[in-house]
Amino acid sequence: KAGVTQTPRYLIKTRGQQVTLSCSPISGHRSVSWYQQTPGQGLQFLFEYFSETQRNKGNFPGRFSGRQFSNSRSEMNVSTLELGDSALYLCASCRGDVESFSGNTIYFGEGSWLTVV
Amino acid sequence: DAKTTQPNSMESNEEEPVHLPCNHSTISGTDYIHWYRQLPSQGPEYVIHGLTSNVNNRMASLAIAEDRKSSTLILHRATLRDAAVYYCIRNNAGNMLTFGGGTRLMVKP
Repeated sequence: KAGVTQTPRYLIKTRGQQVTLSCSPISGHRSVSWYQQTPGQGLQFLFEYFSETQRNKGNFPGRFSGRQFSNSRSEMNVSTLELGDSALYLCASCRGDVESFSGNTIYFGEGSWLTVV
Repeated sequence: DAKTTQPNSMESNEEEPVHLPCNHSTISGTDYIHWYRQLPSQGPEYVIHGLTSNVNNRMASLAIAEDRKSSTLILHRATLRDAAVYYCIRNNAGNMLTFGGGTRLMVKP
């Protein structure tokens, strides 16, 4: 079956602009999470959506937002881009079953490389 | 703190077994231990996960200590393609993983 798909793979934006990244989870997966990866901070959790509701949120400013659609596809948006937002943005999906919450297998996409100039 | 402790780097020879250790001394009873690896310029790839018993799959084996305060990821025969950063994660929050620095595995031909 198809894996987690992220688009676009690469993009360059200017400071002050905004960007929207898209993620299509594995079919049947209802939980989608987003992560930011930078050389300095490593992999950091942004937020998680389950059944169109934000269930968890990491420690990022309000410029970072997301949403999930009824088909489980998700988007994240970063407004008023700063140079420090340059990073690899990763999407991860899993079934999200509450009963076996931490035992779910989580699958990552290839990521979207964002460069802010 | 949900992070685990792993060596920064390890080296292995090709076609030899590799044992990657991980300490999670404050693990709670319902935390699963997950292992992911990340090759350069790629997203993390799921390797294996377990709760109490040792686990095997086509990629690796996971040996979990009886007290669950440590675990070891075992690659039975390292190949050059196994060179990656390996992350050991205590998962108590589903799809909200806390990554540490991981172990950079280098495989020598």
